[in-house]
Amino acid sequence: ETGVTQTPRHLVMGMTNKKSLKCEQHLGHNAMYWYKQSAKKPLELMFVYSLEERVENNSVPSRFSPECPNSSHLFLHLHTLQPEDSALYLCASSQDWTGTLYNEQFFGPGTRLTVL
Amino acid sequence: AQSVTQLDSQVPVFEEAPVELRCNYSSSVSVYLFWYVQYPNQGLQLLLKYLSGSTLVKGINGFEAEFNKSQTSFHLRKPSVHISDTAEYFCAVSPMDSSYKLIFGSGTRLLVRP
Repeated sequence: ETGVTQTPRHLVMGMTNKKSLKCEQHLGHNAMYWYKQSAKKPLELMFVYSLEERVENNSVPSRFSPECPNSSHLFLHLHTLQPEDSALYLCASSQDWTGTLYNEQFFGPGTRLTVL
Repeated sequence: AQSVTQLDSQVPVFEEAPVELRCNYSSSVSVYLFWYVQYPNQGLQLLLKYLSGSTLVKGINGFEAEFNKSQTSFHLRKPSVHISDTAEYFCAVSPMDSSYKLIFGSGTRLLVRP
């Protein structure tokens, strides 16, 4: 595997289900990100992790719970979602997380989530 | 705060014709600028970026963009498109004081017809 991989690629769940999205980066990076891409809306940054520590939480509802057990893996745990949470969830990684120095973000293919 | 506007949600063009995808932004601080491309069922791929220096930047697949600070624009151009350029294109900015934050436009779908 190379780059950033995400599993599953597609997920359908009911509002009472609990599921998890997985992201793995094979680039030796130290920072990982979750984005939400809804239809007709710009990509929204949800969470940022740097060296397994959460450094950004963009007012995301608590029904989304991220976990970063190590610098290569990032999870997004989902529970009691709403139909409006249906979207493409993209994971990205970058070499480091810094304030002013540019670090290119590399994106995975995404998980297409449908909440019924 | 920053915002990015891509006025054209879809741009149809014939193969081998030139194309320009428009992007305007607003920001109270200096920003880096980017164009990403998303092919069907794939993630985002960086097409080109402006960090500093020459305002005309060249990217992959023959694309280029020009940063115009006075007009706060970063339009993407290609002199001759191919069918394989059909994809969604996203303009994004990140503030220089928190460069990990990517703020995206809503995207422009480029549809290249034979």
